[in-house]
Amino acid sequence: GAVVSQHPSWVICKSGTSVKIECRSLDFQATTMFWYRQFPKQSLMLMATSNEGSKATYEQGVEKDKFLINHASLTLSTLTVTSAHPEDSSFYICSARDGGAVSPPYNEQFFGPGTRLTVL
Amino acid sequence: AQSVTQPDIHITVSEGASLELRCNYSYGATPYLFWYVQSPGQGLQLLLKYFSGDTLVQGIKGFEAEFKRSQSSFNLRKPSVHWSDAAEYFCAVGAKGIDDSGAQKLVFGQGTRLTINP
Repeated sequence: GAVVSQHPSWVICKSGTSVKIECRSLDFQATTMFWYRQFPKQSLMLMATSNEGSKATYEQGVEKDKFLINHASLTLSTLTVTSAHPEDSSFYICSARDGGAVSPPYNEQFFGPGTRLTVL
Repeated sequence: AQSVTQPDIHITVSEGASLELRCNYSYGATPYLFWYVQSPGQGLQLLLKYFSGDTLVQGIKGFEAEFKRSQSSFNLRKPSVHWSDAAEYFCAVGAKGIDDSGAQKLVFGQGTRLTINP
């Protein structure tokens, strides 16, 4: 149980185009999903937190108009990188928190396998 | 703001040898601490977590970690490593939510890459 998938696993696009990445919780309802970015040989940096049915909360320094997040259902969140540029090339990872679980004081986040984005 | 430091970027040990990966955190309140493992092409997998109580926590795959408040540390250990343990290991701290069930953020350390010599 507690499986999170991401699609696509990798994508190559031209500079100036937009790319959408999907994050799905396969066997639980995720009231909260998180989007991270990981540069090569570096740590995961939280980009934004999305709650189902409401606007995402972005971390300081993350451009919300650049990285559009939609969490329209309890099992799906999408990250759209708009007008992508080479500096947006990175590994994007999502995680989901089981909204139905009651495991105080902290509900575990389950991570997807990541999406490798390369912008040419 | 909370932060996590993993002093060792890369560690190499021989198969069968013991392992200790270091993690130091900075957080004003009682931290929620985690160790994750990331294998190539796979998502992060939770090895173990500490919320409260016994400071020595057991995890999956034979790993354990000890919380030492006086040293602000949460080091990961394994008595005998296997070749399949080669991966990237991340220590993380989670902040308590406002209502204990809110969306808590995870702050990750830089990661330690573990290489196993045969």
